[in-house]
This record gives sequence, C-alpha cells and structure tokens, in this order.
Amino acid sequence: NAGVTQTPKFRVLKTGQSMTLLCAQDMNHEYMYWYRQDPGMGLRLIHYSVGEGTTAKGEVPDGYNVSRLKKQNFLLGLESAAPSQTSVYFCASSYSLGNTEAFFGQGTRLTVV
Amino acid sequence: GESVGLHLPTLSVQEGDNSIINCAYSNSASDYFIWYKQESGKGPQFIIDIRSNMDKRQGQRVTVLLNKTVKHLSLQIAATQPGDSAVYFCAENKRRNTPLVFGKGTRLSVIA
Repeated sequence: NAGVTQTPKFRVLKTGQSMTLLCAQDMNHEYMYWYRQDPGMGLRLIHYSVGEGTTAKGEVPDGYNVSRLKKQNFLLGLESAAPSQTSVYFCASSYSLGNTEAFFGQGTRLTVV
Repeated sequence: GESVGLHLPTLSVQEGDNSIINCAYSNSASDYFIWYKQESGKGPQFIIDIRSNMDKRQGQRVTVLLNKTVKHLSLQIAATQPGDSAVYFCAENKRRNTPLVFGKGTRLSVIA
C-alpha cells in the first residue's frame, strides 16, 4: 500500500523554467492538497481539490497552477519558476475536507537558481 | 493571517523525561485541533486530534490538552524516547469542511 507518492523527489530548475510535480494516492480519497514548507514558516496551503475536475486556491496560490484530471492524481505546475519558489513541496490527501487525518507524501525538494 | 502558532521553535529534553509542546491559537471557531509529527526527510504524520468541545484526550504515550479560556493547546509526550525526535506541528480546521491550517512547528530533540 503506497499511500501518497510524489515525483520527483528532488529537482533543480533555472529561473524561468517550468515543471510539473506529480502526486498520486491509492486510498480513493476525494480530497487532495499541495503545501509548501519553508524554514520557520511551517506548512502553507497552495491549492487543493475537493474531487476530480475541481480545484481551489489556498493561502499562497500565486505562481502555481494545479489540475485534477483523475481522482488519484493531483498535479502542481510552475509555469515560470522563481527563486522564491525554492521550497519543499508536500502533497496530501484525506477522506473528507474536514478530516483531521491527512496523509502526506515524502515531499519534493525544489531549488530554483 | 495565520491563526495557529507555537511558542518555541526548539525544545530539548532528556530521554525518559516528559515533553510538553505548546501551541497558541486565535480562532475560537475552529472545530478540531490536531497534532502532527514530521521526522527528518519525511512528510508530516497525524498523531492525535481533539474536538473543540473537549479539554483533554489521551493516546498512546501522548496527551493533548485544550484550554479554551486562554486559547492554548499542548501536546504531552510521556517518557520521551529518541524516536520522538521530530518537528511537531499543531493544526486546526478553522471551519467545518475546510483544509487544515498548520502552525510553524517545534523541533523536539531528545538527549540520550
């Protein structure tokens, strides 16, 4: 049982490049989330999805886009990477939106130079 | 703005002692308060939650206390072990059916 899987685990981008982070969950969860984690800042919500085909903005959505074409996948895109987007990105999923137990992936460490 | 925060960014305890990690919140309307543990190189993992109408909840070696008068949440870990070394986050769902909001985290270091 893999749970939540993120790919890639590490990536270095040049400023202006684009990339997509993939999140896959095998728990049949309706709700999926993308957070970023920066030193001293905790986890901040970027975007989330309440089901296939739906997305919503979180606390820090600027510079990111997301898509949820399939229930098990949630993609996070950076169209034009900036150094300020250097961070560790975590995907999570939960059975319901108000569910207190979210399941997190291992994280993607992204460096933008 | 953020409504969940922690008092101290770091905490060191001797192995075998009890640990107390604190969190202050400002949103009295939150439905649940939650604690997560994040080990090095891993994603956060759910530990325990407490509903806003409760004062105390116990789990395996952990106890969460909620003081609504002073808007304070704490996680107590009994007989702290080296495996408890991690960053601990408090979180809340501000309203029913909303995503979790996390605090900044406290790094717990266990001294052998």
